[in-house]
Amino acid sequence: ELKVEQNPLFLSMQEGKNYTIYCNYSTTSDRLYWYRQDPGKSLESLFVLLSNGAVKQEGRLMASLDTKARLSTLHITAAVHDLSATYFCALGGSQGNLIFGKGTKLSVKP
Amino acid sequence: DSGVTQTPKHLITATGQRVTLRCSPRSGDLSVYWYQQSLDQGLQFLIQYYNGEERAKGNILERFSAQQFPDLHSELNLSSLELGDSALYFCASSVGPWQPQHFGDGTRLSIL
Repeated sequence: ELKVEQNPLFLSMQEGKNYTIYCNYSTTSDRLYWYRQDPGKSLESLFVLLSNGAVKQEGRLMASLDTKARLSTLHITAAVHDLSATYFCALGGSQGNLIFGKGTKLSVKP
Repeated sequence: DSGVTQTPKHLITATGQRVTLRCSPRSGDLSVYWYQQSLDQGLQFLIQYYNGEERAKGNILERFSAQQFPDLHSELNLSSLELGDSALYFCASSVGPWQPQHFGDGTRLSIL
């Protein structure tokens, strides 16, 4: 059974600080996704990681994938308030459907 | 704007009733996925269609059914509704399986 575990589930950060969200998964997959969701809103695609060692960066967010460890990380650099949201990692299932983690609710405080 | 259109945005109904949620995928996308988001279960995959055919099933209850029509829009039918069915239902579409999925704004279903 495909399982995706994120931690932490809640993260309160100060502006300007760095932190990492971890995503462990139970079995191999060709694709690992990161999404962002603002309260009451839809999901916005952030990154798609396709291979071992893949690293992608967009602004203050950087995602990486270690398929051997079955681990993906989302690193936040110098957090700002606008990054406050819930971040989901998701594993690509056998037919392309997504298996989501429980999400990490990030709150960035001044 | 993701290009995926879901209607209605909100739906309030009573236990035992039946509702239909509609999804129009992005132009050119052949795959449609349905997901349910609730506080206790999180985001769960329900069902996937590709070019009119069912491709994969997730944690979809027998009271729920879906289909994708020749024009590629999809409908999710929920029947014999229970309080626990209250959730946000998302539709997503992609060009094909394993391609990045684009999510609609969701339909918020409230069962009274």
